[in-house]
Amino acid sequence: EPEVTQTPSHQVTQMGQEVILRCVPISNHLYFYWYRQILGQKVEFLVSFYNNEISEKSEIFDDQFSVERPDGSNFTLKIRSTKLEDSAMYFCASKAGGVADTQYFGPGTRLTVL
Amino acid sequence: SQKIEQNSEALNIQEGKTATLTCNYTNYSPAYLQWYRQDPGRGPVFLLLIRENEKEKRKERLKVTFDTTLKQSLFHITASQPADSATYLCALERGSTLGRLYFGRGTQLTVWP
Repeated sequence: EPEVTQTPSHQVTQMGQEVILRCVPISNHLYFYWYRQILGQKVEFLVSFYNNEISEKSEIFDDQFSVERPDGSNFTLKIRSTKLEDSAMYFCASKAGGVADTQYFGPGTRLTVL
Repeated sequence: SQKIEQNSEALNIQEGKTATLTCNYTNYSPAYLQWYRQDPGRGPVFLLLIRENEKEKRKERLKVTFDTTLKQSLFHITASQPADSATYLCALERGSTLGRLYFGRGTQLTVWP
């Protein structure tokens, strides 16, 4: 069964450093998402991406964040200058398209900012 | 902003019983309400979706109801098993193709033998 994959599974970085989290969505999907979950809290939407551009972003997704789909398979989230409060699980998700299609989530990347 | 409340943080039941989890929402009426399962350290796994014009949806031992008047969804697991132990998340989608999901904090279900 196709699945969303994410690398790395765990990333440790120093405050102020740049990180890139990588995702490979399911191959025929058209919509891509990043969510994050701070330990013990709810899953929060960051950004959605469709047709090679951001379609919606939350208030969390400020100028420190960017997304890219550099080729036909990868979808990346970059945090330019990490802060302690960026420590969280980051989930990538994708869906085929259309209203009410299922979003498939990846296993997540645990980001720890020291 | 959208607010989603799940009835309790934790629910403990005996194997074989029916687990009932509650999701209440305020403000905008969702077009779709979804339930996900999340195991520790893992991503959410989709279980069921119900549309605003549907009252009930079933899948094997799972049943979801949706009452747009009460702004509430109930999620039932019948004949529960220890393997059903996980956190269950309610998520709302407002019906655009953009698909942004608003999640509740989840209810941690423990099924004991």
